[in-house]
Amino acid sequence: SQKIEQNSEALNIQEGKTATLTCNYTNYSPAYLQWYRQDPGRGPVFLLLIRENEKEKRKERLKVTFDTTLKQSLFHITASQPADSATYLCALNNQGGKLIFGQGTELSVKP
Amino acid sequence: EADIYQTPRYLVIGTGKKITLECSQTMGHDKMYWYQQDPGMELHLIHYSYGVNSTEKGDLSSESTVSRIRTEHFPLTLESARPSHTSQYLCASSESWGLAGVGQFFGPGTRLTVL
Repeated sequence: SQKIEQNSEALNIQEGKTATLTCNYTNYSPAYLQWYRQDPGRGPVFLLLIRENEKEKRKERLKVTFDTTLKQSLFHITASQPADSATYLCALNNQGGKLIFGQGTELSVKP
Repeated sequence: EADIYQTPRYLVIGTGKKITLECSQTMGHDKMYWYQQDPGMELHLIHYSYGVNSTEKGDLSSESTVSRIRTEHFPLTLESARPSHTSQYLCASSESWGLAGVGQFFGPGTRLTVL
């Protein structure tokens, strides 16, 4: 079955630095991959979608890359701020067209 | 204002009770979903709907049932709650399966505790 792996350990970085989160997947070739932000006790919020034929997608301080050969997506937040602290979820579409989610990586940005 | 609502936000209930978790969206989306999420774990799809009178079970087996009589409303029902049903339930909607580039919109969730 499809499996998504995200960094299980929390990522702690200093304000102003670039945060890089990793999403690896196995046993499938998704048509697209999505990234969400989730704050404690809240529902996820959609951030970016990248398609299999796209290498990179940007939105303000966010950048996502998608390497279908490595079966990996990287999610970057540049000039990070304490307000960026949250859990970031990677999701890809399965063969039924629905999303399967990774466990998420907790990001903590210290002032 | 376009939004997706879930009620109640928190529910503590005894074993054997029947419960209904409400979900409504004002965006006119055809696709709606129910996910289950335990603390620190990934979301698991338990039900989804393509549109009115269409419901399907998701990848995670669940004893709950859903209905879709109106586009905007997608309630989830547990006929007899058990402690194993304790979890966070998240409702979501989308305009498409994702190719439009806007992803899924999530409600705030219902935290269910069954004693």
